[in-house]
Amino acid sequence: AQKITQTQPGMFVQEKEAVTLDCTYDTSDQSYGLFWYKQPSSGEMIFLIYQGSYDEQNATEGRYSLNFQKARKSANLVISASQLGDSAMYFCAMREGLFGSARQLTFGSGTQLTVLP
Amino acid sequence: DVKVTQSSRYLVKRTGEKVFLECVQDMDHENMFWYRQDPGLGLRLIYFSYDVKMKEKGDIPEGYSVSREKKERFSLILESASTNQTSMYLCASSLRDNNYGYTFGSGTRLTVV
Repeated sequence: AQKITQTQPGMFVQEKEAVTLDCTYDTSDQSYGLFWYKQPSSGEMIFLIYQGSYDEQNATEGRYSLNFQKARKSANLVISASQLGDSAMYFCAMREGLFGSARQLTFGSGTQLTVLP
Repeated sequence: DVKVTQSSRYLVKRTGEKVFLECVQDMDHENMFWYRQDPGLGLRLIYFSYDVKMKEKGDIPEGYSVSREKKERFSLILESASTNQTSMYLCASSLRDNNYGYTFGSGTRLTVV
């Protein structure tokens, strides 16, 4: 089974509007972390936001917020007031286990977001 | 301010060649990772290392090997390159107990002809 599922291969949003990128995850661990990364056409992976499984409040970072619904195992990214520079590929990722030796990130297939002027 | 450096941005190699992809980090991170990225598949883990000379297989290790002789350097080796290894390769590093401090390199786009 897929550990991270992103069901939207492509999304369009009008400039200045909000957009939600969907992510569901599957794990039997109680301790885990959820991440969102942005990858512009230049290729670098830019960290956006992190949510730990024990965090009671949804994470926010500027225009980014993570809508964490633990019971539904979803971790949707909300971008408010979209800008043209937000056009990029967005990846949801999960780290199972919060502490200890190397813990790799497991990634979803990504959502290509295009912001329209 | 570059923290994870991948030696080549673009590489073109012939089928059957031995290929080395190099990754260097200057943040004293214990953990290092190699991923490959393909359209529609996201990033898939090839190998990772949590210490010098230590390595662990990821989800798709077949056809690859790795080397970590120094803490700052993690090399990915394609023993005999094949066309299905044409892909974007991303290196990342993290501190051992840091929940979210993963830093990625800018990637190497490898084409095998």
